[in-house]
Amino acid sequence: DAGITQSPRHKVTETGTPVTLRCHQTENHRYMYWYRQDPGHGLRLIHYSYGVKDTDKGEVSDGYSVSRSKTEDFLLTLESATSSQTSVYFCAISRPSYNEQFFGPGTRLTVL
Amino acid sequence: GIQVEQSPPDLILQEGANSTLRCNFSDSVNNLQWFHQNPWGQLINLFYIPSGTKQNGRLSATTVATERYSLLYISSSQTTDSGVYFCAVPYSNSGYALNFGKGTSLLVTP
Repeated sequence: DAGITQSPRHKVTETGTPVTLRCHQTENHRYMYWYRQDPGHGLRLIHYSYGVKDTDKGEVSDGYSVSRSKTEDFLLTLESATSSQTSVYFCAISRPSYNEQFFGPGTRLTVL
Repeated sequence: GIQVEQSPPDLILQEGANSTLRCNFSDSVNNLQWFHQNPWGQLINLFYIPSGTKQNGRLSATTVATERYSLLYISSSQTTDSGVYFCAVPYSNSGYALNFGKGTSLLVTP
């Protein structure tokens, strides 16, 4: 257990509404990541952070923004949710020394 | 970026059988991880193995970095081994984010 929690764990929303997912870690790790998982695609990187207020885009960043104002929290925002953003979202952290990643429990998001 | 391919995509075993899952990657890597995603969706770390061999109980993994592949061995499989097994390597060797293969879906039957 790497001390990672995600909230909410499940959410159903409607097209066009804003949605924010939260990732919280308790171990003060510098690197945090957001991935999405869809059938047939494995996990794909959305955004990542390498420190407070330091973020960068990943492979599938369109339609998503992130913020990190504290080391322990990494927020993923869908400004205007679309049905194509229905997915399971995972947050991860990297432990230092050798970059082993650990994942949170995931958030299942359904956009109707 | 560094590409990852896993095989086979699907595997059905009877309890007690052994299996080998393969992960091929397109460039040299400084990180390779194997994960198990259980039927409840949880991602469980199995091995961090950029090179060499490691064992953990009935599971072991070998990465041959010079030939760009890794193997995950499951011996004496149990129904609790069911789920999806993912291999992941960095998108690039200058970064830390992981690029995942599409996984091997394993079903172990009683």
